[in-house]
Amino acid sequence: QSALTQPASVSGSPGQSITISCTGTNSDVGGYNYVSWYQQHPGKAPKLMIYDVSSRPSGVSNRFSGSKSGNTASLTISGLQAEDEADYYCTSYTRSSTWAFGGGTKVTVL
Amino acid sequence: QVQLQQWGAGLLKPSETLSLTCAVYGGSFYWSWIRQPPGKGLEWIGEIHPSGSAHYNPSLMSRVTISVDTSKNQLSLRLTSVTAADTAVYYCASNTDYRFDYWGQGTLVTVSS
Repeated sequence: QSALTQPASVSGSPGQSITISCTGTNSDVGGYNYVSWYQQHPGKAPKLMIYDVSSRPSGVSNRFSGSKSGNTASLTISGLQAEDEADYYCTSYTRSSTWAFGGGTKVTVL
Repeated sequence: QVQLQQWGAGLLKPSETLSLTCAVYGGSFYWSWIRQPPGKGLEWIGEIHPSGSAHYNPSLMSRVTISVDTSKNQLSLRLTSVTAADTAVYYCASNTDYRFDYWGQGTLVTVSS
């Protein structure tokens, strides 16, 4: 199965907004609203930040938002903070009843 | 935040079998194993439902078995004929309504002769 495509890195200054893209195909991102996003700090397990394209779990800051257009999903972090510096991964359910992950995006707060 | 507890051997020789266990909780949803090679991204290995329904990553399917013991609330992973390419941190995770909401702490498995 093919991995979803994410930019390797994205950076921004504190207070700015950044957007991470996640591109798949009609068989995964474009075919289902089961896209989720995970934040991972070094040495830690991933943490669910967004699910079902744009829903936020309880306890996750509303600075994190998700959207989807066609075969591309996006995660936007507004009001960037130092604690947001981490790796971010997208994942999508696929037509084959499997899960595809993106390659990950390193977010740097300048 | 709920964190699942997992355990298993951390050092294997090539051709040996990887075996990991994760303490889970009751519920009618899927449980997954996911791995992350050092410095690399996440890779989904497979999932299982308490009913026995299972799905696997096609690239690993021939070597992987995932099982769940509902009487002990334990999820297991077996990966046969390991090589250095299987060196990774392995995570168990719950799939609740199409999202991985709770994760284990991760177990580093190193394959080296």
